[in-house]
Order: sequence, then structure tokens, then C-alpha cells
Amino acid sequence: NAGVMQNPRHLVRRRGQEARLRCSPMKGHSHVYWYRQLPEEGLKFMVYLQKENIIDESGMPKERFSAEFPKEGPSILRIQQVVRGDSAAYFCASSPSSVSGNTIYFGEGSWLTVV
Amino acid sequence: TQLLEQSPQFLSIQEGENLTVYCNSSSVFSSLQWYRQEPGEGPVLLVTVVTGGEVKKLKRLTFQFGDARKDSSLHITAAQPGDTGLYLCASEGLNQGGKLIFGQGTELSVKP
Repeated sequence: NAGVMQNPRHLVRRRGQEARLRCSPMKGHSHVYWYRQLPEEGLKFMVYLQKENIIDESGMPKERFSAEFPKEGPSILRIQQVVRGDSAAYFCASSPSSVSGNTIYFGEGSWLTVV
Repeated sequence: TQLLEQSPQFLSIQEGENLTVYCNSSSVFSSLQWYRQEPGEGPVLLVTVVTGGEVKKLKRLTFQFGDARKDSSLHITAAQPGDTGLYLCASEGLNQGGKLIFGQGTELSVKP
């Protein structure tokens, strides 16, 4: 049973370009979460999605960031017009449901570097 | 918003020593999870504690959940270089399964 798959693992973008990070949840999981880990900071929740729905985006920056989880295919975190402050590790996690106490499983992360 | 405070932030010890890492909150935890993260990888769940006073053991790791469910500790006996990593505690928001609030982590280095 493959774990949460993220790609690319490492991405370098110039300021102003777009970054697209993809996440395939574990088999049978329909709930996806994105977290960001900035240098010297802890993991911060960004967004929670189910298929075709954004459930909670309270942790998403108001501008330039968007996320989707289409009916078919992986979840995508999109960052437009990247700036140096967007350089971070972005982690996707998935779970079979949103029931409290349910284990969520993290992917290995996508490291974005903005130059 | 619940905040989790971990201490110490950094810990460097010799192989064979014991250590304890703490996770505290001003609010009651619904449940608490401990993760370990190695450089360049994602967090890996070690344990979930739910009941006040609960103690769980995972080989040389002992996890305790405070009676009032506002604090937790991770104790490692006879630490080994393979224990090196970032240890994170996390808690779910109320009725928000999957939306975890993380502490800032304890960076552990075990030297041979």
C-alpha cells in the first residue's frame, strides 16, 4: 500500500514564476491536508480538502495560493508569482475520514526554493 | 487558538544518556500525537495518547499524557544516534480531525 506521494520532491523557481505541487493520497483516503514548514518554524496547517471541495482553507495566505483536489487525479497546491518568503517545505497528508483521532499520514514533502 | 509549547528546543546528548521532551498547552487536548521527523523527510507518527494519565511505550520511548490532558512528555532511555531527529507534538483542533496544531519541535542530536 503506497504511502502519500508528493512530487516534485525539490523545486526551484525564480521570483514571479508559478509553483505547482502535487499530492496523491494513500489508497482509500479521500481527505487531503496541506501543511507548510518554514525555516526555523513549525509545521502550519494550510488547507483541508475532500474530493472537489475545499473544507477549510483558514491557513492559506489570502493571495497567490490556491489548492484543489479534483475528482480524478492528485491534489494540487498552486503558488502564483512566488516570492523568496515562499521558500519552505510543503507537506501533504491524507486520512480516510475527518473523524477526530483518526491517524493522518504525511508525505515526504516538496521543498520549494525561490531564487 | 490552542498553542503548544515544546521544551527544550534543542538537545544534544551522548549515546546512552536518557532524556525527556515536554509538550504543554494552556488548553485541554482532545488527543495528542508525537511525531518524529528526519531531515528531508515528512513527519512520522510515533504515538497517539487520548486518555488523561495514559502511558504508552514504544521500545525505548515512553510517552505520558498528563492527568489534566494539558501536557505530555516523551522520555527516551539510553538514547542512540538513530534517535537523532526533530520531535514534534501535535493536537487536533476541537472537532477538527486532521487539522493539527504542531509545537515548534525539539531538535535532538545524539552523538556516538
